[in-house]
Amino acid sequence: GENVEQHPSTLSVQEGDSAVIKCTYSDSASNYFPWYKQELGKRPQLIIDIRSNVGEKKDQRIAVTLNKTAKHFSLHITETQPEDSAVYFCAASRGSGGYNKLIFGAGTRLAVHP
Amino acid sequence: DTGVSQDPRHKITKRGQNVTFRCDPISEHNRLYWYRQTLGQGPEFLTYFQNEAQLEKSRLLSDRFSAERPKGSFSTLEIQRTEQGDSAMYLCASSLEQDYGYTFGSGTRLTVV
Repeated sequence: GENVEQHPSTLSVQEGDSAVIKCTYSDSASNYFPWYKQELGKRPQLIIDIRSNVGEKKDQRIAVTLNKTAKHFSLHITETQPEDSAVYFCAASRGSGGYNKLIFGAGTRLAVHP
Repeated sequence: DTGVSQDPRHKITKRGQNVTFRCDPISEHNRLYWYRQTLGQGPEFLTYFQNEAQLEKSRLLSDRFSAERPKGSFSTLEIQRTEQGDSAMYLCASSLEQDYGYTFGSGTRLTVV
């Protein structure tokens, strides 16, 4: 069945360091890969996404890379700041055309220490 | 507020009681999703509406669960005969048909005691 695995489950870094979170997906028909940030008690918020027609996308300090052959995608956060501390979820879907059911990973709790 | 609204934010109920949650999507969004999130896990898909039509239900959605979107605007999710295992955050999300990503509401946290 459809599955998304996410690693690591927890990540602790010093302010200014980089953080990398990795996901693998099982459905080879997946073509849309968003990343959500969820702060304690708040809604998941979309921070960046990538579609399968590109291999990399960057937005300021965050970037996402996709390897469709290996069915891997990763989130990279550079120059981390304490406000980056949150739980990050990756997800995969078959995208529009049908409907957009997202399959989420289990999340990564990122702690950025000053 | 032009975001996705959910009501109530918190609900505590006794086992065996029925509960109903409401979701108001962003007004022009024709797609509406319900997800469930338990502690330490990612959101899990429950069901999806395009306008008023319910097009898919997850196997997670037992016959005690029912969702409606009668006029293609707001949606309700009802859980009958609640069980302790139903305790979770119930998230609603909406999107336009042509969009890949969608916007989540703040959720309804259900605690069954």
